[in-house]
Amino acid sequence: GESVGLHLPTLSVQEGDNSIINCAYSNSASDYFIWYKQESGKGPQFIIDIRSNMDKRQGQRVTVLLNKTVKHLSLQIAATQPGDSAVYFCAERGTGGFKTIFGAGTRLFVKA
Amino acid sequence: EAGVAQSPRYKIIEKRQSVAFWCNPISGHATLYWYQQILGQGPKLLIQFQNNGVVDDSQLPKDRFSAERLKGVDSTLKIQPAKLEDSAVYLCASSPGGRDQPQHFGDGTRLSIL
Repeated sequence: GESVGLHLPTLSVQEGDNSIINCAYSNSASDYFIWYKQESGKGPQFIIDIRSNMDKRQGQRVTVLLNKTVKHLSLQIAATQPGDSAVYFCAERGTGGFKTIFGAGTRLFVKA
Repeated sequence: EAGVAQSPRYKIIEKRQSVAFWCNPISGHATLYWYQQILGQGPKLLIQFQNNGVVDDSQLPKDRFSAERLKGVDSTLKIQPAKLEDSAVYLCASSPGGRDQPQHFGDGTRLSIL
Protein backbone atom coordinates (compact mmCIF):
# COMPACT_ATOMS: atom_id res chain seq x y z
CA GLY A 1 0.00 0.00 0.00
CA GLU A 2 0.94 3.63 0.02
CA SER A 3 3.40 4.73 2.67
CA VAL A 4 5.85 7.50 3.30
CA GLY A 5 8.63 6.98 5.77
CA LEU A 6 11.69 8.78 7.06
CA HIS A 7 15.14 7.36 7.62
CA LEU A 8 15.94 9.24 10.84
CA PRO A 9 13.55 10.29 13.60
CA THR A 10 15.91 12.99 14.97
CA LEU A 11 18.70 15.08 13.51
CA SER A 12 21.03 17.37 15.46
CA VAL A 13 23.17 19.95 13.63
CA GLN A 14 25.40 22.85 14.56
CA GLU A 15 24.15 26.34 13.78
CA GLY A 16 25.53 27.42 10.42
CA ASP A 17 25.97 23.88 9.09
CA ASN A 18 23.86 22.41 6.31
CA SER A 19 21.07 19.95 7.19
CA ILE A 20 19.83 17.04 5.11
CA ILE A 21 16.54 15.36 5.95
CA ASN A 22 15.72 12.17 4.06
CA CYS A 23 12.46 10.50 3.16
CA ALA A 24 11.57 7.24 1.39
CA TYR A 25 8.27 6.63 -0.35
CA SER A 26 6.86 3.36 -1.62
CA ASN A 27 4.17 4.40 -4.11
CA SER A 28 5.79 4.71 -7.51
CA ALA A 29 2.57 6.30 -8.79
CA SER A 30 3.03 9.36 -6.59
CA ASP A 31 3.73 12.42 -8.71
CA TYR A 32 3.73 15.35 -6.30
CA PHE A 33 5.80 15.73 -3.15
CA ILE A 34 5.75 18.36 -0.43
CA TRP A 35 7.88 19.24 2.57
CA TYR A 36 6.24 20.80 5.63
CA LYS A 37 7.72 22.27 8.81
CA GLN A 38 5.83 21.98 12.08
CA GLU A 39 6.75 23.96 15.17
CA SER A 40 5.46 23.03 18.59
CA GLY A 41 1.81 23.93 19.05
CA LYS A 42 1.34 24.98 15.44
CA GLY A 43 0.05 23.45 12.25
CA PRO A 44 2.35 22.25 9.46
CA GLN A 45 3.76 25.05 7.32
CA PHE A 46 4.52 24.58 3.62
CA ILE A 47 8.24 24.80 2.76
CA ILE A 48 8.72 23.57 -0.79
CA ASP A 49 7.20 21.15 -3.29
CA ILE A 50 8.34 19.23 -6.33
CA ARG A 51 6.59 17.42 -9.17
CA SER A 52 7.74 14.06 -10.43
CA ASN A 53 8.91 15.51 -13.75
CA MET A 54 11.67 17.33 -11.87
CA ASP A 55 14.63 16.04 -9.85
CA LYS A 56 15.63 19.23 -8.07
CA ARG A 57 13.98 22.43 -6.94
CA GLN A 58 15.47 25.30 -4.97
CA GLY A 59 13.92 27.85 -2.68
CA GLN A 60 15.31 30.30 -0.20
CA ARG A 61 17.97 28.33 1.75
CA VAL A 62 16.15 25.07 0.93
CA THR A 63 16.57 22.53 -1.84
CA VAL A 64 14.47 19.44 -2.49
CA LEU A 65 15.93 16.51 -4.40
CA LEU A 66 13.83 13.73 -5.89
CA ASN A 67 15.25 10.38 -6.98
CA LYS A 68 12.44 8.41 -8.57
CA THR A 69 14.69 5.43 -9.31
CA VAL A 70 15.09 4.62 -5.62
CA LYS A 71 11.94 6.46 -4.50
CA HIS A 72 13.84 8.86 -2.29
CA LEU A 73 13.22 12.49 -1.38
CA SER A 74 15.48 14.82 0.56
CA LEU A 75 15.31 18.32 1.98
CA GLN A 76 18.52 20.31 2.27
CA ILE A 77 18.65 23.39 4.48
CA ALA A 78 21.63 25.66 4.00
CA ALA A 79 23.23 27.52 6.91
CA THR A 80 20.85 26.06 9.46
CA GLN A 81 19.57 28.55 12.02
CA PRO A 82 18.00 28.07 15.48
CA GLY A 83 14.64 29.04 13.96
CA ASP A 84 14.84 25.95 11.77
CA SER A 85 14.38 23.71 14.81
CA ALA A 86 11.09 21.88 14.23
CA VAL A 87 9.62 18.61 12.97
CA TYR A 88 9.82 18.18 9.21
CA PHE A 89 7.34 16.04 7.28
CA CYS A 90 7.51 14.83 3.75
CA ALA A 91 4.21 14.12 2.04
CA GLU A 92 3.21 12.55 -1.23
CA ARG A 93 0.20 12.69 -3.47
CA GLY A 94 -0.66 9.99 -5.98
CA THR A 95 -1.94 10.29 -9.49
CA GLY A 96 -5.23 8.66 -8.56
CA GLY A 97 -6.60 11.59 -6.63
CA PHE A 98 -5.91 14.42 -4.29
CA LYS A 99 -5.15 12.45 -1.13
CA THR A 100 -1.95 13.53 0.60
CA ILE A 101 -0.10 11.01 2.75
CA PHE A 102 2.30 12.25 5.42
CA GLY A 103 5.31 10.49 6.85
CA ALA A 104 6.04 10.24 10.58
CA GLY A 105 8.40 13.24 10.67
CA THR A 106 12.01 14.07 11.55
CA ARG A 107 12.80 16.34 14.47
CA LEU A 108 15.62 18.79 13.70
CA PHE A 109 17.62 20.22 16.62
CA VAL A 110 19.91 23.15 15.92
CA LYS A 111 22.72 23.63 18.42
CA ALA A 112 23.98 27.17 18.99
CA GLU B 1 -4.29 37.03 3.70
CA ALA B 2 -5.83 35.61 6.86
CA GLY B 3 -4.89 32.01 7.59
CA VAL B 4 -7.03 29.01 8.41
CA ALA B 5 -8.90 29.64 11.66
CA GLN B 6 -9.81 26.85 14.07
CA SER B 7 -11.59 26.77 17.39
CA PRO B 8 -11.39 25.87 20.14
CA ARG B 9 -7.61 25.57 20.61
CA TYR B 10 -7.97 23.08 23.45
CA LYS B 11 -10.74 20.78 24.62
CA ILE B 12 -10.87 18.32 27.49
CA ILE B 13 -13.80 15.91 27.75
CA GLU B 14 -14.59 12.58 29.32
CA LYS B 15 -14.97 9.45 27.23
CA ARG B 16 -18.41 8.90 25.77
CA GLN B 17 -19.04 12.65 25.65
CA SER B 18 -19.49 14.61 22.42
CA VAL B 19 -17.28 17.33 20.99
CA ALA B 20 -17.29 19.58 17.94
CA PHE B 21 -14.54 21.50 16.18
CA TRP B 22 -14.94 24.44 13.83
CA CYS B 23 -12.83 25.53 10.87
CA ASN B 24 -12.88 28.64 8.69
CA PRO B 25 -10.64 28.15 5.63
CA ILE B 26 -8.75 30.79 3.69
CA SER B 27 -11.17 32.89 1.69
CA GLY B 28 -11.74 31.48 -1.78
CA HIS B 29 -10.22 28.07 -1.07
CA ALA B 30 -12.42 25.39 -2.56
CA THR B 31 -10.82 22.37 -0.88
CA LEU B 32 -10.98 21.76 2.85
CA TYR B 33 -9.36 18.92 4.79
CA TRP B 34 -9.62 17.55 8.32
CA TYR B 35 -6.64 15.65 9.69
CA GLN B 36 -6.01 13.78 12.92
CA GLN B 37 -2.48 14.02 14.32
CA ILE B 38 -1.62 11.68 17.16
CA LEU B 39 1.40 12.68 19.24
CA GLY B 40 4.64 11.71 17.51
CA GLN B 41 2.98 10.92 14.18
CA GLY B 42 2.27 12.67 10.92
CA PRO B 43 -1.21 14.01 10.13
CA LYS B 44 -3.72 11.45 8.89
CA LEU B 45 -6.48 12.56 6.53
CA LEU B 46 -9.98 12.06 7.91
CA ILE B 47 -12.09 13.79 5.28
CA GLN B 48 -11.66 16.05 2.27
CA PHE B 49 -14.28 18.40 0.82
CA GLN B 50 -14.34 20.03 -2.59
CA ASN B 51 -16.68 22.98 -2.11
CA ASN B 52 -19.48 21.33 -0.08
CA GLY B 53 -19.09 17.83 -1.53
CA VAL B 54 -17.07 14.99 0.03
CA VAL B 55 -14.09 13.84 -2.07
CA ASP B 56 -12.56 11.32 0.34
CA ASP B 57 -13.78 10.08 3.72
CA SER B 58 -12.29 6.60 3.54
CA GLN B 59 -10.41 6.99 6.85
CA LEU B 60 -13.20 8.68 8.80
CA PRO B 61 -14.62 6.40 11.56
CA LYS B 62 -18.18 7.00 10.49
CA ASP B 63 -19.72 5.27 13.48
CA ARG B 64 -18.57 8.14 15.69
CA PHE B 65 -17.14 10.92 13.51
CA SER B 66 -19.12 13.22 11.23
CA ALA B 67 -18.25 16.34 9.29
CA GLU B 68 -20.08 18.86 7.22
CA ARG B 69 -19.25 21.88 5.13
CA LEU B 70 -22.39 23.87 4.61
CA LYS B 71 -22.38 26.46 1.82
CA GLY B 72 -18.87 25.37 0.86
CA VAL B 73 -17.11 27.61 3.38
CA ASP B 74 -16.89 26.80 7.12
CA SER B 75 -16.76 23.25 8.35
CA THR B 76 -17.43 21.38 11.56
CA LEU B 77 -16.07 18.01 12.69
CA LYS B 78 -17.95 16.14 15.41
CA ILE B 79 -17.10 13.13 17.54
CA GLN B 80 -19.91 11.31 19.30
CA PRO B 81 -19.21 9.42 21.51
CA ALA B 82 -15.51 10.06 22.14
CA LYS B 83 -13.08 7.26 22.98
CA LEU B 84 -9.72 7.46 24.72
CA GLU B 85 -7.89 6.79 21.44
CA ASP B 86 -9.41 9.97 19.95
CA SER B 87 -6.95 12.06 21.98
CA ALA B 88 -5.05 13.95 19.30
CA VAL B 89 -4.67 17.28 17.55
CA TYR B 90 -7.32 17.87 14.90
CA LEU B 91 -6.00 19.96 12.06
CA CYS B 92 -7.96 21.75 9.39
CA ALA B 93 -6.33 22.71 6.10
CA SER B 94 -7.45 24.36 2.89
CA SER B 95 -6.15 24.76 -0.64
CA PRO B 96 -7.34 26.69 -3.69
CA GLY B 97 -8.63 23.55 -5.36
CA GLY B 98 -6.17 22.83 -8.14
CA ARG B 99 -4.40 19.52 -8.20
CA ASP B 100 -0.76 20.22 -7.34
CA GLN B 101 -1.18 22.89 -4.72
CA PRO B 102 0.09 22.78 -1.13
CA GLN B 103 -2.31 22.87 1.77
CA HIS B 104 -2.45 25.69 4.32
CA PHE B 105 -3.00 24.48 7.86
CA GLY B 106 -4.60 25.98 10.92
CA ASP B 107 -2.97 25.51 14.34
CA GLY B 108 -5.39 22.76 15.29
CA THR B 109 -7.52 21.78 18.26
CA ARG B 110 -5.81 19.69 20.91
CA LEU B 111 -8.34 17.17 22.26
CA SER B 112 -7.75 15.29 25.49
CA ILE B 113 -10.08 12.47 26.53
CA LEU B 114 -10.19 11.59 30.23
